[in-house]
Amino acid sequence: QQPVQSPQAVILREGEDAVINCSSSKALYSVHWYRQKHGEAPVFLMILLKGGEQKGHEKISASFNEKKQQSSLYLTASQLSYSGTYFCGTDPMDTGRRALTFGSGTRLQVQP
Amino acid sequence: GAGVSQSPSNKVTEKGKDVELRCDPISGHTALYWYRQRLGQGLEFLIYFQGNSAPDKSGLPSDRFSAERTGESVSTLTIQRTQQEDSAVYLCASSLAGQGIYNSPLHFGNGTRLTVT
Repeated sequence: QQPVQSPQAVILREGEDAVINCSSSKALYSVHWYRQKHGEAPVFLMILLKGGEQKGHEKISASFNEKKQQSSLYLTASQLSYSGTYFCGTDPMDTGRRALTFGSGTRLQVQP
Repeated sequence: GAGVSQSPSNKVTEKGKDVELRCDPISGHTALYWYRQRLGQGLEFLIYFQGNSAPDKSGLPSDRFSAERTGESVSTLTIQRTQQEDSAVYLCASSLAGQGIYNSPLHFGNGTRLTVT
């Protein structure tokens, strides 16, 4: 089942902060975050694992609430380069599928 | 090193024709995934290969879609008797995943943009 992302879109000025949320109805092994710029491939940002471990870029922070099956991506002091569509991908525990299920994305636009 | 390579980058075909899309994963990556992305939409899982295990075909939308992978190398996604609703960007990704993808990032190719006229 597809995770739910919110908001669907957000517009920021440079330097402002944003939070993108991802919610699943299933218990998860992990949550992945990717950013896709227009016409380009999605690029890996971060993995949050059950148990608290994180793997990703130093300038990006995120949280994973295992009990609520929710993850949030925190974008602070946004830059123009942060613009793009952010996707969360989830790895549910109760399915045999060993591939990520992605949300519908959050479109982020950072303006000067 | 080289990333995930997909070809062709663009494909225009007539309704009813068959198409083959190719993916060359990063060397050493045992896991390979195909996703479909319709215009302005999210990533829709199609199929997953892991080493020599049976592929997970649970995302294929119809029997017109099939995919093959030779060992841990190139994969081909075939769409038979294409329909207009097949128009989308087809993305391939690979990862180092062993038992699962829980701790391995996906590396995506630039995709093949398929247009069915």
